Amino acid sequence: DAGITQSPRHKVTETGTPVTLRCHQTENHRYMYWYRQDPGHGLRLIHYSYGVKDTDKGEVSDGYSVSRSKTEDFLLTLESATSSQTSVYFCAISSGTPSYEQYFGPGTRLTVT
Amino acid sequence: AQKVTQAQTEISVVEKEDVTLDCVYETRDTTYYLFWYKQPPSGELVFLIRRNSFDEQNEISGRYSWNFQKSTSSFNFTITASQVVDSAVYFCALSELYNQGGKLIFGQGTELSVKP
Repeated sequence: DAGITQSPRHKVTETGTPVTLRCHQTENHRYMYWYRQDPGHGLRLIHYSYGVKDTDKGEVSDGYSVSRSKTEDFLLTLESATSSQTSVYFCAISSGTPSYEQYFGPGTRLTVT
Repeated sequence: AQKVTQAQTEISVVEKEDVTLDCVYETRDTTYYLFWYKQPPSGELVFLIRRNSFDEQNEISGRYSWNFQKSTSSFNFTITASQVVDSAVYFCALSELYNQGGKLIFGQGTELSVKP
């Protein structure tokens, strides 16, 4: 199994509060991704990183920011959580693109009340 | 625009039946990659297979087989002699050569329930 961990695994927070999710990898992979999973939508890309300090937006990036100061860590921040951001968040890593498979972390279930 | 459609939202079969999960994709690129992932009830996503657009050979891995047909833009997944452990949500995904950092475009997923 690819060495990917996510923390926290579960979180309940209130509307308007900032939230940071962490993804940590031990594979030294260059590419890291944040997806959200919602019923009827599959998984959708929020942001991705192609190297330390190199990030770009995905299709559902509004209300989210990311940072990558080390190869192994990719942080996702909800600047001011809203109920529409209640979701399951998955981090993924890949050693290359676009032909390489992505390996996913265990997911973080976030509930915004 | 890129798109992946899994028209079957839910499928229910009885153990030992064969079942096919459909996946239809749209892309303007001539070079692209198709993937299948499995999400069991425990929630993790498990990589099953990758296929590139230049390789139309069908693939078989044990009870799993994949049928890639460029003419119909389909990449279907068949489970032979299904087992209860096959119960999961299955996702088909597309990656294009010149897309954003290799992002995956996912279908909505097909929930397979295999009953004993």
